[in-house]
Amino acid sequence: DIQMTQSPSSVSASVGDKVTISCRASQGISSWLAWYQQRPGKAPVLLIYGASSLQSGVPSRFSGSGSGTVFTLTISSLQPEDFATYYCQQTNSFPLTFGGGTKVEIK
Amino acid sequence: QVQLVASGGGVVQPGRSLRLSCVASGFTFSRYGIHWVRQAPGKGLEWVAVISYDGSDKYYADSVKGRFTVARDNSKNTLYLQMNSLGAEDTAVYYCARDRAVISHFYYYGMDVWGQGTTVTVSS
Repeated sequence: DIQMTQSPSSVSASVGDKVTISCRASQGISSWLAWYQQRPGKAPVLLIYGASSLQSGVPSRFSGSGSGTVFTLTISSLQPEDFATYYCQQTNSFPLTFGGGTKVEIK
Repeated sequence: QVQLVASGGGVVQPGRSLRLSCVASGFTFSRYGIHWVRQAPGKGLEWVAVISYDGSDKYYADSVKGRFTVARDNSKNTLYLQMNSLGAEDTAVYYCARDRAVISHFYYYGMDVWGQGTTVTVSS
């Protein structure tokens, strides 16, 4: 199985800050990576697919990059509604696997 | 609007069975693969299973293989997850989620529509 490792596990930031979350795959997954946002008590929301494609309706302050084994989610200017937990997921092969999550907290 | 509504969760004793349902509306259900994803209390997301748009492909996580079965009835816009031999490790919120790809046997593009989740608690 492909293991997905996210870092950091949590980050404290202020509104307006730039936030970067990393995700590493245990083996190459090309660009088959998705990012999700999950607010407390809610279902996840797809942000990015194919490592860098923005899902329809998602604000442009979110962006994704990377290929192979190293990927990044960037929030260019953190907004109050962005405080949540973010997960990466490899969609290259079964079983599909998620990273452990990164919680973005208010500083 | 486009939505998935999961139901069927509850409290069940270890070793017993439970069947979850997920009803789709607002889109052509028969064109999309559907996943089950679960989240144990206070934990991260775990992919459980997927079934293709036509029901011909099914894939499972190792943790549920042989115990869980995914099925669909496209005439009823409904997805099912039959869960047998339940254990405490199966306690979680179970989400159904639509695969982003249309009429595809490939699952590269993530899950773009999620249900609200249904809670399964395995306890004696």
